[in-house]
Amino acid sequence: EVQLVESGGGLVQPGRSLKLSCLASGFTFSNYGMNWIRQAPGKGLEWVASISSSSSYIYYADTVKGRFTISRDNAKNTLYLQMTSLRSEDTALYYCARHEGVMDAWGQGASVTVSS
Amino acid sequence: DIQMTQSPASLSASLGETVTIECRASEDIYNGLAWYQQKPGKSPQLLIYNANSLHTGVPSRFSGSGSGTQYSLKINSLQSEDVASYFCQQYYDYPWTFGGGTKLELK
Repeated sequence: EVQLVESGGGLVQPGRSLKLSCLASGFTFSNYGMNWIRQAPGKGLEWVASISSSSSYIYYADTVKGRFTISRDNAKNTLYLQMTSLRSEDTALYYCARHEGVMDAWGQGASVTVSS
Repeated sequence: DIQMTQSPASLSASLGETVTIECRASEDIYNGLAWYQQKPGKSPQLLIYNANSLHTGVPSRFSGSGSGTQYSLKINSLQSEDVASYFCQQYYDYPWTFGGGTKLELK
């Protein structure tokens, strides 16, 4: 069974940093591109970042470019999102999702609240 | 960036009814379109990919169609478990973008 489990969320002050992790199981992690998508409370979905299977290709939404870094460790079956210079508008539930063209498996999400 | 305009924002329908949700892209996305269902408190689940291909395990009452800039999701014979929000998403080009969502409720 494909499983994606996010962790590392929490309450953080504006301007501070936080690192999310997503542990994958049930599939060959190194064969798939991976993504972070977020959903602000009561709002729609926003794609945040994508990384290819070998980390050769990385893409970011303009709203996080220069502040967030997506990375992966295929030996540990883990995806990361390093978030710096956090703002109140980054408050959201952050999902990781795998893709092979389309995002066909999603985790349950990690909650990030940016507030003083 | 490709903008995705989804309509309606909300929809109320009766059990057994057929409903259609539309999604319009700001440019041709060459069928690089997916539809997701998100039930309250749950993560999104893939329904349709490549505009008209049904994802594994998704009931056949769901179908997708369209081309170019215009796409739609149809739900035949609405069931109570279909109450959810639905989102379209283009993956033709980065940055990937989502429609604003449609909240489907029972009448």
